[in-house]
Amino acid sequence: EDQVTQSPEALRLQEGESSSLNCSYTVSGLRGLFWYRQDPGKGPEFLFTLYSAGEEKEKERLKATLTKKESFLHITAPKPEDSATYLCAVQPLSNQAGTALIFGKGTTLSVSS
Amino acid sequence: ETGVTQTPRHLVMGMTNKKSLKCEQHLGHNAMYWYKQSAKKPLELMFVYSLEERVENNSVPSRFSPECPNSSHLFLHLHTLQPEDSALYLCASSQDGPGQGADEQYFGPGTRLTVT
Repeated sequence: EDQVTQSPEALRLQEGESSSLNCSYTVSGLRGLFWYRQDPGKGPEFLFTLYSAGEEKEKERLKATLTKKESFLHITAPKPEDSATYLCAVQPLSNQAGTALIFGKGTTLSVSS
Repeated sequence: ETGVTQTPRHLVMGMTNKKSLKCEQHLGHNAMYWYKQSAKKPLELMFVYSLEERVENNSVPSRFSPECPNSSHLFLHLHTLQPEDSALYLCASSQDGPGQGADEQYFGPGTRLTVT
């Protein structure tokens, strides 16, 4: 069964304290892996797409990496405005519709000043 | 308007009411989706439309009825809901339809639904 597991469930950091969020996935084949940011009461905001192991993408203080079994979202020197829930989703090759994403439960990040 | 918009943003309805949620995408995309987001649970895909045809229905109860009149608009018609249907309902769109490659989805702000 295709599955996505995110850890930790919640993470509290001090401003400037770098850390990483983990997304482990089990799929028969990976079409793509996606990271989203969601603020309270809002819809998810697209951050990155990763397609193959070894790929990396960066945006400001965020860097996403991908291996064959997991992805990491590295946050360097975070600021309070980085506080949000970060969602990971995979699009399996086996999905007949070809478009359905399987989401993890998310990691809620709190950054204090 | 830009991106994906949803109305209303908040909705309170009784179990015997009938209401509709509306979604509009201004991105020129060909596929649209309805998701349900409940506390402490992953997003659950409800319906997928590609070029106005429904291509996936994840065993959603019949009290939820989608409608896609054109590639820019998507509705979710609600009737005789249960309290456990209270959740955030999210609409999303993507450029391509089924089987055309990994394709990021863009989400609207959601409708917070409360069933009393």
